[in-house]
Amino acid sequence: SAVISQKPSRDICQRGTSLTIQCQVDSQVTMMFWYRQQPGQSLTLIATANQGSEATYESGFVIDKFPISRPNLTFSTLTVSNMSPEDSSIYLCSVRPLDGNEQFFGPGTRLTVL
Amino acid sequence: GQQLNQSPQSMFIQEGEDVSMNCTSSSIFNTWLWYKQDPGEGPVLLIALYKAGELTSNGRLTAQFGITRKDSFLNISASIPSDVGIYFCAGQLGAGTYKYIFGTGTRLKVLA
Repeated sequence: SAVISQKPSRDICQRGTSLTIQCQVDSQVTMMFWYRQQPGQSLTLIATANQGSEATYESGFVIDKFPISRPNLTFSTLTVSNMSPEDSSIYLCSVRPLDGNEQFFGPGTRLTVL
Repeated sequence: GQQLNQSPQSMFIQEGEDVSMNCTSSSIFNTWLWYKQDPGEGPVLLIALYKAGELTSNGRLTAQFGITRKDSFLNISASIPSDVGIYFCAGQLGAGTYKYIFGTGTRLKVLA
């Protein structure tokens, strides 16, 4: 399985500011995803990060609010823009390796917006 | 977004007991994944299932891909305190889609 790291692991931010979360994988992967997990809830897919092109967003999520970059096969960033308390969640990076259909998750970034 | 129904939603069990949980849908899936999430951590993949009727074990955990391809089951035998956590199923619909749909989760609490 891939080893996935995320930075920061947690942060407390002020309303109206932006936070960029980094995801680094120790091996090349085909697909990278960003999920949100609100307190006590399941995982909701925000977008699929595409290498060298714009991310594919799910219904209810837009690029202006959650810009995503994926410059290569092992790295992606998610920015949470113009934050409000409703953005307080765990944000999870997930990857699919080159040689399988399984999906692995990073440790998550716990975001609190005041 | 779309979610799978998981049951039970939560359960308290005594240490040493066996646990069963399931995931159901009206849609047909071609892959099922089962995860465990500890507090403050990301989900960890436990078992992957790829064909109808498949039964796969990982230590004390056994998962099955339902014959109808609309459901999956996870069993934990002889539970121990470290089994505490939230268990999620995830299903991938048929050919042509790459995304997984996640279940609502089963929160397991083990009483020593």
